[in-house]
Amino acid sequence: DAGVIQSPRHEVTEMGQEVTLRCKPISGHNSLFWYRQTMMRGLELLIYFNNNVPIDDSGMPEDRFSAKMPNASFSTLKIQPSEPRDSAVYFCASSLIAMETQYFGPGTRLLVL
Amino acid sequence: EDQVTQSPEALRLQEGESSSLNCSYTVSGLRGLFWYRQDPGKGPEFLFTLYSAGEEKEKERLKATLTKKESFLHITAPKPEDSATYLCAFVSGNTGKLIFGQGTTLQVKP
Repeated sequence: DAGVIQSPRHEVTEMGQEVTLRCKPISGHNSLFWYRQTMMRGLELLIYFNNNVPIDDSGMPEDRFSAKMPNASFSTLKIQPSEPRDSAVYFCASSLIAMETQYFGPGTRLLVL
Repeated sequence: EDQVTQSPEALRLQEGESSSLNCSYTVSGLRGLFWYRQDPGKGPEFLFTLYSAGEEKEKERLKATLTKKESFLHITAPKPEDSATYLCAFVSGNTGKLIFGQGTTLQVKP
């Protein structure tokens, strides 16, 4: 299996622009998670989906962040408008079912200028 | 409140010098403990899952153990390629979320 796939791997944008991060989970996995990692706060869960349905989005920092999962093989995390404090590494992870082992993608390194 | 604390924050070892990393937790209704390894610029890589106190798992030079309040990752005769950040995480029984510690950055010198 190819593992969790994320794109782009790096993104540099200017404040105010829209940013869209993409994730393809491992085939057959029913749960998908979006995390953000910073030096100050470590790994934080933003939102997770179960069978394409958002279950818990309490970690989404504010309304500028939104996530969708239109089908079992694709999810997006959108930031609109982006701000410099959004600069971080964003990881997508998937698991067979919630509460089981999560497998992480390589991450998207986002820099907002 | 669910909380995970890892110690030490950083650890420097000479090649062959065995040591242990600690992960202590306060979690309502533990549903599983996970250890991950993270190399710079990469995503966390799964190592072990432990579910109950007394459980142990091994992989090459690594052995993970679990008690009711903490978990240890024992590294026996480490090599430079073991250098990485090691993360532990717990699944909260209340929320079902994976709660990560801040990690221990291990450097093994030849």
